Amino acid sequence: GESVGLHLPTLSVQEGDNSIINCAYSNSASDYFIWYKQESGKGPQFIIDIRSNMDKRQGQRVTVLLNKTVKHLSLQIAATQPGDSAVYFCAELSSGSARQLTFGSGTQLTVLP
Amino acid sequence: DTGVSQDPRHKITKRGQNVTFRCDPISEHNRLYWYRQTLGQGPEFLTYFQNEAQLEKSRLLSDRFSAERPKGSFSTLEIQRTEQGDSAMYLCASTPPGFHGYTFGSGTRLTVV
Repeated sequence: GESVGLHLPTLSVQEGDNSIINCAYSNSASDYFIWYKQESGKGPQFIIDIRSNMDKRQGQRVTVLLNKTVKHLSLQIAATQPGDSAVYFCAELSSGSARQLTFGSGTQLTVLP
Repeated sequence: DTGVSQDPRHKITKRGQNVTFRCDPISEHNRLYWYRQTLGQGPEFLTYFQNEAQLEKSRLLSDRFSAERPKGSFSTLEIQRTEQGDSAMYLCASTPPGFHGYTFGSGTRLTVV
């Protein structure tokens, strides 16, 4: 079946360094991708999104890159802070009327002091 | 309005019992979604409503599960004859007309013992 998956289950970075979280997807028909942050005991929180007709989008301290040729997404977090420690998911939005999300299994980001 | 509210936050129940969860979406959001998340995994789509109409259900939603949104505002998710495999976080999300992204609640964590 179609799925969205992540390359690494855990990532540890030093505070102040940049973080890169990667994601592979398999549904080439997807037109919209979203990165979520989930802290313990909370629901997923929107970080940034990107449409399939773009290859890069920047937000505050975050950048998402989309490579449709190899079906790969990445989330770059600049100057990582302790508050960035969480699980990060990429998700693919269905193009059907339901607009449901298909999530990957997540990457646990730990920011070291 | 403080976002999407879910109640209870935690529920422990004995196998075979019925449980019901409630979700209050953001008031102007017409779509309401239920997702299930097991430990270490991304959320999985269960079902969604547009106003009071339940428009799509996942194959994950067995006949022991039923969801309602009687007045197009809050929604309930009931699980009958709970099984240990039902233990998970049940997340609710809502979206406004025209779809401008999901807002997730903090979820209800169900433990079936």
